[in-house]
Amino acid sequence: AAGVIQSPRHLIKEKRETATLKCYPIPRHDTVYWYQQGPGQDPQFLISFYEKMQSDKGSIPDRFSAQQFSDYHSELNMSSLELGDSALYFCASSFSQGAFKNIQYFGAGTRLSVL
Amino acid sequence: AQKITQTQPGMFVQEKEAVTLDCTYDTSDPSYGLFWYKQPSSGEMIFLIYQGSYDQQNATEGRYSLNFQKARKSANLVISASQLGDSAMYFCAMREEGNFGNEKLTFGTGTRLTIIP
Repeated sequence: AAGVIQSPRHLIKEKRETATLKCYPIPRHDTVYWYQQGPGQDPQFLISFYEKMQSDKGSIPDRFSAQQFSDYHSELNMSSLELGDSALYFCASSFSQGAFKNIQYFGAGTRLSVL
Repeated sequence: AQKITQTQPGMFVQEKEAVTLDCTYDTSDPSYGLFWYKQPSSGEMIFLIYQGSYDQQNATEGRYSLNFQKARKSANLVISASQLGDSAMYFCAMREEGNFGNEKLTFGTGTRLTIIP
């Protein structure tokens, strides 16, 4: 079965650079979520989209923005990168109906290292 | 206030034994969902099992079962006949019902399970 696809898997950036993380949800899933997991920590919710509209926002810095496109893929844009942004970034997707309603399936994550 | 509590930072279990990972939660919402995820050292987050607050029976998925005690607000994960491949970090998470898309997960701090041969 198709899973959530994230790219790239690894990304190395310098301070003050920008980064774009991409997420392709499971086909037919209508909701996308982004989470940030710092070293040794639990994942923290950043932002979510339902049917291409932003639906909820968590502790996402103003330097970060995200959007969901017409084909349902999503991108997380991160500017003015700081050392503290080094983390594992997960995208998850879910479907709002059916037997597996609202179960969030995660991608493999993008590991961002800011030097 | 912390909504998901996992009190076992680490556990060591002999191969083939059963193991119970503890999770308690706090919510005033009558409708919610509880999840368990497995995170191996490679980093991916793997969905294991889900329990809805209105589900009458405890969820089971192969060797995984969820011991849901609503009155105690606990949702412990039970892994039967543990295997070496079960060694990983395990996260309990809760979803509180909201508007469509407004259902972020709140995670516990995780339990690192190590299976000993």
